Amino acid sequence: AQSVTQLDSQVPVFEEAPVELRCNYSSSVSVYLFWYVQYPNQGLQLLLKYLSGSTLVKGINGFEAEFNKSQTSFHLRKPSVHISDTAEYFCAVTRHSSASKIIFGSGTRLSIRP
Amino acid sequence: DTAVSQTPKYLVTQMGNDKSIKCEQNLGHDTMYWYKQDSKKFLKIMFSYNNKELIINETVPNRFSPKSPDKAHLNLHINSLELGDSAVYFCASSQGALAGSGVDEQYFGPGTRLTVT
Repeated sequence: AQSVTQLDSQVPVFEEAPVELRCNYSSSVSVYLFWYVQYPNQGLQLLLKYLSGSTLVKGINGFEAEFNKSQTSFHLRKPSVHISDTAEYFCAVTRHSSASKIIFGSGTRLSIRP
Repeated sequence: DTAVSQTPKYLVTQMGNDKSIKCEQNLGHDTMYWYKQDSKKFLKIMFSYNNKELIINETVPNRFSPKSPDKAHLNLHINSLELGDSAVYFCASSQGALAGSGVDEQYFGPGTRLTVT
């Protein structure tokens, strides 16, 4: 079975500072990896996903993530955050298989200070 | 135009009641999902339908019964509501080239906040 661990439940950052949100996964088979963002009182929205190929994945709103198979990590980064990035961020994993459900991490709340 | 819509947005009801939440998507997707998000923001899949056929059925009480009249709709009916059912319920859809594979981006509705008193 797959699992996802988001090590930080909250990450406070000053505006225009860089940020990294950590995600580690465990799986005995190949996986696909995702980052979703949930703005206050809204549903989730896909930021980016890793399916195969280049380990550095670029997403919307200036975010990127790097797949590291040896460290089983998929950390999310942004070089300079904005107030509008305040949200909950979820890392997720699914197997390379049909009828496979997505497993979400527990989420990281990113709060941006002016 | 809203891609995935849910009604109602808020639902407050008493223990023991039966209630339904409706979900509709206008994206032409083949697969739809129901998720439950608890007070700690933990998100867990409950059900998944592909072309009106149930493909994922997690371990949820049988008081929860999804119904898909057509591939654009997936409703959730809950019988005998309990305090522990209080949560935000999200509907989502995906193109689903591989049924329920999760490879395709999932589009989420705005959520229904259910409060059981």
